[in-house]
Amino acid sequence: DAGVIQSPRHEVTEMGQEVTLRCKPISGHDYLFWYRQTMMRGLELLIYFNNNVPIDDSGMPEDRFSAKMPNASFSTLKIQPSEPRDSAVYFCASTSGESTEAFFGQGTRLTVV
Amino acid sequence: GEDVEQSLFLSVREGDSSVINCTYTDSSSTYLYWYKQEPGAGLQLLTYIFSNMDMKQDQRLTVLLNKKDKHLSLRIADTQTGDSAIYFCAERGGSSNTGKLIFGQGTTLQVKP
Repeated sequence: DAGVIQSPRHEVTEMGQEVTLRCKPISGHDYLFWYRQTMMRGLELLIYFNNNVPIDDSGMPEDRFSAKMPNASFSTLKIQPSEPRDSAVYFCASTSGESTEAFFGQGTRLTVV
Repeated sequence: GEDVEQSLFLSVREGDSSVINCTYTDSSSTYLYWYKQEPGAGLQLLTYIFSNMDMKQDQRLTVLLNKKDKHLSLRIADTQTGDSAIYFCAERGGSSNTGKLIFGQGTTLQVKP
């Protein structure tokens, strides 16, 4: 398996534009997590899914953020409209209930100007 | 709710031992983890400990768990310049869900030659 795959690796967009971040978890994993990393706030859990169902979205900062998992092999995190303070590295991770390890993607570095 | 805290920065000399500390609040955590993040990269699992253990050794790494005090530490023996990175403590399980991972803010380890 190629691991957790995120795209794009880098995204630069203008304030007000819609941004969509993508994640492909490891095959067979039934948990998927979206994290945001900034210097000020560290690594924050935004939302996580179990069997494609959102379990806890209490970390999603505002209504401008939304996440979906239409099937077991794909998830998106959307920001609409984007703002400069959304600039961060966004990580996706996946694991299974039986696994002791959560595997992380390489992250998407988002810059909103 | 769950909370994980770490000191933000540690500086050591090459060849010395490094000890990174972490405290957590959820006494029902099942697993506790140490992840490493090198500049520009995702998080990589270093080691983990099950909550019914109090120590785990893996080559240069020693994890100590004091469940009574909810304190976790990572000791790196013979620290090398290649160990310079951010180290994250994380907990999993607990009262909410077995899949959810909560991370500390990360400790930046600086190794001076």
